Amino acid sequence: SQQGEEDPQALSIQEGENATMNCSYKTSINNLQWYRQNSGRGLVHLILIRSNEREKHSGRLRVTLDTSKKSSSLLITASRAADTASYFCATDAGRIQGAQKLVFGQGTRLTINP
Amino acid sequence: EAGVAQSPRYKIIEKRQSVAFWCNPISGHATLYWYQQILGQGPKLLIQFQNNGVVDDSQLPKDRFSAERLKGVDSTLKIQPAKLEDSAVYLCASVGPGKNIQYFGAGTRLSVL
Repeated sequence: SQQGEEDPQALSIQEGENATMNCSYKTSINNLQWYRQNSGRGLVHLILIRSNEREKHSGRLRVTLDTSKKSSSLLITASRAADTASYFCATDAGRIQGAQKLVFGQGTRLTINP
Repeated sequence: EAGVAQSPRYKIIEKRQSVAFWCNPISGHATLYWYQQILGQGPKLLIQFQNNGVVDDSQLPKDRFSAERLKGVDSTLKIQPAKLEDSAVYLCASVGPGKNIQYFGAGTRLSVL
């Protein structure tokens, strides 16, 4: 079952604008990760935020985590056409036999218009 | 460093036929995952291996799906017989020991007609 729900399902903005995607989840987590998927490709890891962190930055990406509300947001600043992709949040709720298990959300499809 | 390799990239079969997918993870990655991604949805975990042992196969439809990782390196996922609803992209991912980031292959797009 999908733990994460993402909002919006689709987002279309002009190049140079900022894009914000939200993710809500249901159970306690160790960390939350964001992945990007270009059309016809596999997923690529973007950023990981641990449960004891509130905000994290990586280049033009900013991720926030509110464990009290069980929600996270991904902000992409100064968007570019190359940012056009689907973005997924994934929650790490623990390990089984030492191996990580991620549960992915439904994703937000982001389109950057030139 | 070579990434996760998957083959074939595309496969078209008729319902009730069988199909197999292959995955070669990144060298040294002990954990290997197979995901099913239906169009417009996020990846759904089918099975997770730690070396050559199954860690979690709770969402694998075992009446028709099977997977193995005999030598703890590459893995195959099989569907027999296929149904129309199995049309999806099958993604393989791997993680290094004690690490948190999953590395994905490009996937196999399966169409069942």
